[in-house]
Amino acid sequence: NAGVTQTPKFRILKIGQSMTLQCTQDMNHNYMYWYRQDPGMGLKLIYYSVGAGITDKGEVPNGYNVSRSTTEDFPLRLELAAPSQTSVYFCASGKLPGQGYNSPLHFGNGTRLTVT
Amino acid sequence: GENVEQHPSTLSVQEGDSAVIKCTYSDSASNYFPWYKQELGKGPQLIIDIRSNVGEKKDQRIAVTLNKTAKHFSLHITETQPEDSAVYFCAASMTTDSWGKLQFGAGTQVVVTP
Repeated sequence: NAGVTQTPKFRILKIGQSMTLQCTQDMNHNYMYWYRQDPGMGLKLIYYSVGAGITDKGEVPNGYNVSRSTTEDFPLRLELAAPSQTSVYFCASGKLPGQGYNSPLHFGNGTRLTVT
Repeated sequence: GENVEQHPSTLSVQEGDSAVIKCTYSDSASNYFPWYKQELGKGPQLIIDIRSNVGEKKDQRIAVTLNKTAKHFSLHITETQPEDSAVYFCAASMTTDSWGKLQFGAGTQVVVTP
């Protein structure tokens, strides 16, 4: 059971370059999320999706775009990389908690991005 | 919007002692409070969560308490072991379609020394 898989693990970009961070999950979860984690800070929500074809902005969406064409995949696109986007990016998936059971948000192991 | 504050930022404990991490939240509409453990180089992993209709929840050496009136919740780890060393995050959200839109605290680095 692979869970949430993120690629690449590490990437260095030059200012103004573009890239796509890949995220795929094999748990048939409807809900998927992108968070970023800056040093010494908690995670902040960039974008999320409640199902295929549906995406919405989180707390810090500027400079990013997402798409959700399938249940499994939720790529994050950086169009014009800036030094402020240097961070560790985490993708997560889950299902709505019901009564009486835990429904954890499953995180991938992250993509460490440096923009110079 | 919701704001979650977490204290302390670092916590050193002797193996076998207890560790307590405290969080406060600002939005009284929040009703879902998970705790995540993050080991070096890995993504956060849920260790326990609590909902606002419950005041306390335990799972082996881990317990979480919630005070809705004061808007604070705490993580208690008893009989700490070296493998408990990690960064711990508290978070808050609502058990609706917004459940996964977690507002995280800044994290607590826990170091358990043998």
